[in-house]
Amino acid sequence: DGGITQSPKYLFRKEGQNVTLSCEQNLNHDAMYWYRQDPGQGLRLIYYSQIVNDFQKGDIAEGYSVSREKKESFPLTVTSAQKNPTAFYLCASSMGVADYNEQFFGPGTRLTVL
Amino acid sequence: GENVEQHPSTLSVQEGDSAVIKCTYSDSASNYFPWYKQELGKRPQLIIDIRSNVGEKKDQRIAVTLNKTAKHFSLHITETQPEDSAVYFCAAPYTGRRALTFGSGTRLQVQP
Repeated sequence: DGGITQSPKYLFRKEGQNVTLSCEQNLNHDAMYWYRQDPGQGLRLIYYSQIVNDFQKGDIAEGYSVSREKKESFPLTVTSAQKNPTAFYLCASSMGVADYNEQFFGPGTRLTVL
Repeated sequence: GENVEQHPSTLSVQEGDSAVIKCTYSDSASNYFPWYKQELGKRPQLIIDIRSNVGEKKDQRIAVTLNKTAKHFSLHITETQPEDSAVYFCAAPYTGRRALTFGSGTRLQVQP
């Protein structure tokens, strides 16, 4: 299960607080992704990055922010503007941008807003 | 964009039976169709994928078929075993995004 890691595994947040979820990969992958998983709704794309210093909004980017300062790291910040942040968050990475390739997922972070 | 619909949402089969999960997509330009398996409490993992230049791909007990004309693709699991119990997701490319759109998932339960 190595290669892509997420921390923490569980995270509790009070309303009004920003929190940052960590995602690191040592697979030398160019592309990285953040998904939100809610029961019965599959995986919804929050943000993705195809290359360092560049990232794009996905389907549900409102209330979230990301950065891609290093190839191996793609942290996600859940801001207080996200109305319903309680969910399971999955980070993924894949090889270069020339063609679609397998996405490797991290173990996930379960965020609960108290 | 891309809209991926997946059916059924739940599927219960007896051990040894076959299971079929179907997905439809909207973008006729899509050319890559993966299937992921997520066991309870674990991360999704790729089990099989197919590209649009082939109509079927097999890997032991699992197979994927693709009908580009009808814009649907299916996952077939034969001789199901209890360890096949999991949630299965299909996906298709989101044109212009270099990202995937996932279906809503199918919870497969294999009864021993």
